[in-house]
Amino acid sequence: DAKTTQPPSMDCAEGRAANLPCNHSTISGNEYVYWYRQIHSQGPQYIIHGLKNNETNEMASLIITEDRKSSTLILPHATLRDTAVYYCIVRRSNDYKLSFGAGTTVTVRA
Amino acid sequence: EPEVTQTPSHQVTQMGQEVILRCVPISNHLYFYWYRQILGQKVEFLVSFYNNEISEKSEIFDDQFSVERPDGSNFTLKIRSTKLEDSAMYFCASSPDRDPEAFFGQGTRLTVV
Repeated sequence: DAKTTQPPSMDCAEGRAANLPCNHSTISGNEYVYWYRQIHSQGPQYIIHGLKNNETNEMASLIITEDRKSSTLILPHATLRDTAVYYCIVRRSNDYKLSFGAGTTVTVRA
Repeated sequence: EPEVTQTPSHQVTQMGQEVILRCVPISNHLYFYWYRQILGQKVEFLVSFYNNEISEKSEIFDDQFSVERPDGSNFTLKIRSTKLEDSAMYFCASSPDRDPEAFFGQGTRLTVV
């Protein structure tokens, strides 16, 4: 699996957009970018995934650069409940497992 | 909303004892997984299970671990002879297919003393 690099932590203000970067410069053509989050030692929660096109769902948007070497997860209006560790994971389409790294600890402040 | 349920939420066991962690995956899901997270460390993949057999396992999943789907609803992880270093949060997950998102349970905190 391609390795991902994320900043260890970031703060954002409640109500503002949170932009979480992820570098995956060694990603290959059949690898997807997944984002999960883990709120205070609960089970990880799926957020979104994509291959090369930008994706949006009710939780977030995923912007993948044209060369696919990096991506940004956007939480459009962060709330205090979005405080969590966010994981960017690259996964082959025929892989069973998710390989979690250290993630980014996001703290949303009032 | 359907969810993955795990029991018990916390289990304390003595070193050398066998433990069984139980999970009820989402009912129409076909792929099942166990992960663990030692306190303060990363979430680590243990094993995936599909069509009544292990489809992939990590180096952590050695002979002391086994998984079973004893009936149509439960998915269990057995640790045969627990060690202190098995103390961790164990997460069960399921997914309808290999590609889409996996749904995780709330975890069982295993403490080996």
